[in-house]
Amino acid sequence: SQTIHQWPATLVQPVGSPLSLECTVEGTSNPNLYWYRQAAGRGLQLLFYSVGIGQISSEVPQNLSASRPQDRQFILSSKKLLLSDSGFYLCAWETGSNIQYFGAGTRLSVL
Amino acid sequence: DQQVKQNSPSLSVQEGRISILNCDYTNSMFDYFLWYKKYPAEGPTFLISISSIKDKNEDGRFTVFLNKSAKHLSLHIVPSQPGDSAVYFCAASVLGTYKYIFGTGTRLKVLA
Repeated sequence: SQTIHQWPATLVQPVGSPLSLECTVEGTSNPNLYWYRQAAGRGLQLLFYSVGIGQISSEVPQNLSASRPQDRQFILSSKKLLLSDSGFYLCAWETGSNIQYFGAGTRLSVL
Repeated sequence: DQQVKQNSPSLSVQEGRISILNCDYTNSMFDYFLWYKKYPAEGPTFLISISSIKDKNEDGRFTVFLNKSAKHLSLHIVPSQPGDSAVYFCAASVLGTYKYIFGTGTRLKVLA
């Protein structure tokens, strides 16, 4: 069966520090991968999606970037975090079923 | 521009009664719609979906209705149970675009 792993679960980072969140999927090949952010009291905002290795589409101009170095690995990064980057970050995958399956999320607090 | 809107941020319902969660969209190109349930500090889990070629889809206690002319969908939960208390998100997609637009969510509280 397919599983998705996201880590860390919680992260507290100072303003100006770098960020790297990792997401890996098991049990499937060539998934579409997604990064979302849920800010406090807000809905799910699509940040990036990828339909293949090295293929990244950005939905919102921001301080973040994404990379897909391997088929089932999706990384969210920042060189310098801002206070506004705080939120709940979710990774998701989908493989042609038109249904996205989400990881457990990372709670990022930028102080 | 919020293409998918859930205008009720919260809803309280008595156990055993029907819960109706609503969602409106503006993009007439959307042809696939989904509902997700989310508990605090967890990722959303898929509940039910509907294609634009249908106007109703049912799965156990959950039924989704789609009114294309009104650009409106709703999720009915009957009967509601305390374990249904969560935040519910609707999402919309244009099949083949790989993009899903989520609403802002409705927090459902089912009272025992």
